Amino acid sequence: SQQGEEDPQALSIQEGENATMNCSYKTSINNLQWYRQNSGRGLVHLILIRSNEREKHSGRLRVTLDTSKKSSSLLITASRAADTASYFCATGQGAQKLVFGQGTRLTINP
Amino acid sequence: GAVVSQHPSRVICKSGTSVKIECRSLDFQATTMFWYRQFPKQSLMLMATSNEGSKATYEQGVEKDKFLINHASLTLSTLTVTSAHPEDSSFYICSAIWTFSRDSNTEAFFGQGTRLTVV
Repeated sequence: SQQGEEDPQALSIQEGENATMNCSYKTSINNLQWYRQNSGRGLVHLILIRSNEREKHSGRLRVTLDTSKKSSSLLITASRAADTASYFCATGQGAQKLVFGQGTRLTINP
Repeated sequence: GAVVSQHPSRVICKSGTSVKIECRSLDFQATTMFWYRQFPKQSLMLMATSNEGSKATYEQGVEKDKFLINHASLTLSTLTVTSAHPEDSSFYICSAIWTFSRDSNTEAFFGQGTRLTVV
């Protein structure tokens, strides 16, 4: 079963604006990862944040992790049309298994 | 980053036939690979864990006799959809696990997926 819940399920913003997606999970984790998927394609790893980390940056991406609330957020700043995709969080648990959230479909309007 | 190659990217087959999908880790060894299934506009559903040299571990509700998994080497896992039916039409994605030696955290690298259409 899927553990993560993401909101919003769909997000549509104008190019240049910031996009924020949230992910909640239920059990203890080793790490949390964010992935991007373009329509009909495989997943691209964006960023991994370990359970002892609170914030991580990578280019225009900023990820936060609050283990007390069992939640994470992904912020994409200065969005571009090419950022249009589905974004999934995945929690890393024992035995290397990843459990995916339902995903957020992000649309960047030019 | 590490590369995982999945083949074929698209396949159309007739109902009742079997289809084999390959997942290769190109520049690292993966003792564990995962197979996922994704329906349109939905998330990835884990089907099974493929372990090199041993039997795959299937998630609840996944028929092991229908979805045969073979992980014969450290760089190759295969998923065979046997006696395919239209309801098996879906997007299948594999991932291979890279383990960081310093802290045992893992990162999954995904193949590009296989679009299976059963007619």
